[in-house]
Parts: sequence; C-alpha cells; structure tokens
Amino acid sequence: GDSVTQMEGPVTLSEEAFLTINCTYTATGYPSLFWYVQYPGEGLQLLLKATKADDKGSNKGFEATYRKETTSFHLEKGSVQVSDSAVYFCALGHYNQAGTALIFGKGTTLSVSS
Amino acid sequence: GAGVSQTPSNKVTEKGKYVELRCDPISGHTALYWYRQSLGQGPEFLIYFQGTGAADDSGLPNDRFFAVRPEGSVSTLKIQRTERGDSAVYLCASSLDTNTEAFFGQGTRLTVV
Repeated sequence: GDSVTQMEGPVTLSEEAFLTINCTYTATGYPSLFWYVQYPGEGLQLLLKATKADDKGSNKGFEATYRKETTSFHLEKGSVQVSDSAVYFCALGHYNQAGTALIFGKGTTLSVSS
Repeated sequence: GAGVSQTPSNKVTEKGKYVELRCDPISGHTALYWYRQSLGQGPEFLIYFQGTGAADDSGLPNDRFFAVRPEGSVSTLKIQRTERGDSAVYLCASSLDTNTEAFFGQGTRLTVV
C-alpha cells in the first residue's frame, strides 16, 4: 500500500539556518504530495502542495519539489525563524480518486532558537 | 463557521464507556474526513463521507467505532466500550469536494483512563 517516510526529529536549528526535512513516498499511480504544519496549540494547516512530477510547491519561504524519479518531496527553507518551530507532516493523496484520504508521515518536530 | 469546529476539545472517559465526538465542517463542504493521531504519529485515516453517506470506512479499526453524518453537514464519531488504546487526538477535516484541499479542525483529545 501507499506510504510516506519522513526523517525523524527533532530537528534543532539556530535562526537563519538552512532547513531540509526529507520525505520519500511509495505509491501507485500519480499522487499529489503535501506538506502540512502543526503549530503549538493549533490544528493542521496545509503549507504547500504539488500535484504532478517536477511541480514545485512554495509558501512562506518554504519549498518542495515533486521528484518522481527519486519518489521524494523534501521540504526546504533558506533561512528559518523562531516562528517556524512546529511539527511538519509530509502526506500524499490521490486527488483523482473518490475520497482523497491523505496518508501522512510520522511528522518531524522543528525547533528554532534565536 | 470560519473553520472546521470540533467539540469537545478534550474528553476524559473511563474504560468501557461510550463517547461521541462532534465535527462541524466548513459550510458548503460536501466531503468530510475523520483521522486519528496517536502520540508521536501522523494522522491515520478512519472514514470519509461524501454528503450523508460513508463512502469509505476502511480505516475504522473495529466495530466499536462508528460515524454518522445524517444531514450531510455535522458528523459524529461514536466509540463504544472505549479502551485505553483508543486514547488519541481525533481530527476532522472537510473539503469542498474530493478534488480540493482539506481543512482540518483542532481535534478532540480523547483520554481513556
């Protein structure tokens, strides 16, 4: 079955450092890929998405490129801020199938210090 | 409402009791999803509604779990004879249809003691 594997945390960085959180997937067909973020005390929010190979999703300085050849969707940000401290989830879903039930990775906790 | 609303935000219950968790989706959203998030894990799919009907309930762990959406809006997740292993955050999400972004509520934290 479909699955998502993301790097384990926690990831601890200083402000302005470069961030990479790795995510790889196994899926049949051509899924859409997502990064969700969960800030402390808040619900899951969609951060960015990509719906086909070579698409780049971007939002709030974060980027991720859908790489079909490596089945990856790594999250990157050039300069993190303290406010980026949160749990990040990589997920996949099949938009063109009824019921877009998302499959999530286990989440990666990011802690940014000033 | 402005977003997906889940009530209660926290629920503590004794082992063996029955609980109901409520989800108010965004107005007009026809698709509604329930997920369960255990500590240190990502959300896991439980059930999906399109309108009033459960289109996919393959994620429900056993027959103690049941969900309804009688009028195609509010949904209730029902858990009978709760067990300590049911302790988790139960998340609800809704989307305009099956091809658009799902918006999540803040979840109900269920603790079975």
